[in-house]
Amino acid sequence: DTGVSQNPRHKITKRGQNVTFRCDPISEHNRLYWYRQTLGQGPEFLTYFQNEAQLEKSRLLSDRFSAERPKGSFSTLEIQRTEQGDSAMYLCASSAPLVGAGSPLHFGNGTRLTVT
Amino acid sequence: AQSVTQLDSQVPVFEEAPVELRCNYSSSVSVYLFWYVQYPNQGLQLLLKYLSGSTLVESINGFEAEFNKSQTSFHLRKPSVHISDTAEYFCAVTYSGGYQKVTFGTGTKLQVIP
Repeated sequence: DTGVSQNPRHKITKRGQNVTFRCDPISEHNRLYWYRQTLGQGPEFLTYFQNEAQLEKSRLLSDRFSAERPKGSFSTLEIQRTEQGDSAMYLCASSAPLVGAGSPLHFGNGTRLTVT
Repeated sequence: AQSVTQLDSQVPVFEEAPVELRCNYSSSVSVYLFWYVQYPNQGLQLLLKYLSGSTLVESINGFEAEFNKSQTSFHLRKPSVHISDTAEYFCAVTYSGGYQKVTFGTGTKLQVIP
């Protein structure tokens, strides 16, 4: 178990630029989640994959955000035309196959995005 | 829709004193409940979970939480805290009947004072 890996750890970009983050989940985990966390807040749900299928996307997520999980392995989260309000820690988590929703989430260390 | 309320954003407590971190949830259906912990400069990790069975669940480092359905609470307690318990603690809830997103509270920072 090598854990959930996220790259890059930090990203500084100028407003209007596009950014892409990568998440490598634990290898046997079929569920993958993206969350966003800002200072003083808990993780806010963005989207969820089961294998390669994106099953849920937060209504809070604008069309500038897109996520993929080709072949059900690693995932990417892209933000187009970044805005200063996008500055946050972006967290990826994965969980093992389990009947129902009781399988705990395993989080990566996150990618901190700063939009200047 | 489900939600989680952690009313205390910060809880200072002296070392070896007891502590309770409060968590209340709102859901119209049966739920699973979790506490996650984030130590300084580390990622979130599971502390303990309630899925079914005994309403009192324990972690390996002395924390315990009790599921109280009538009060819709899942408070986290420890009878004697250590400096190493200094961290941010997040309560989380999800629907037990099938997949649904895990919803987190805003977190409580536990500061253990020597």
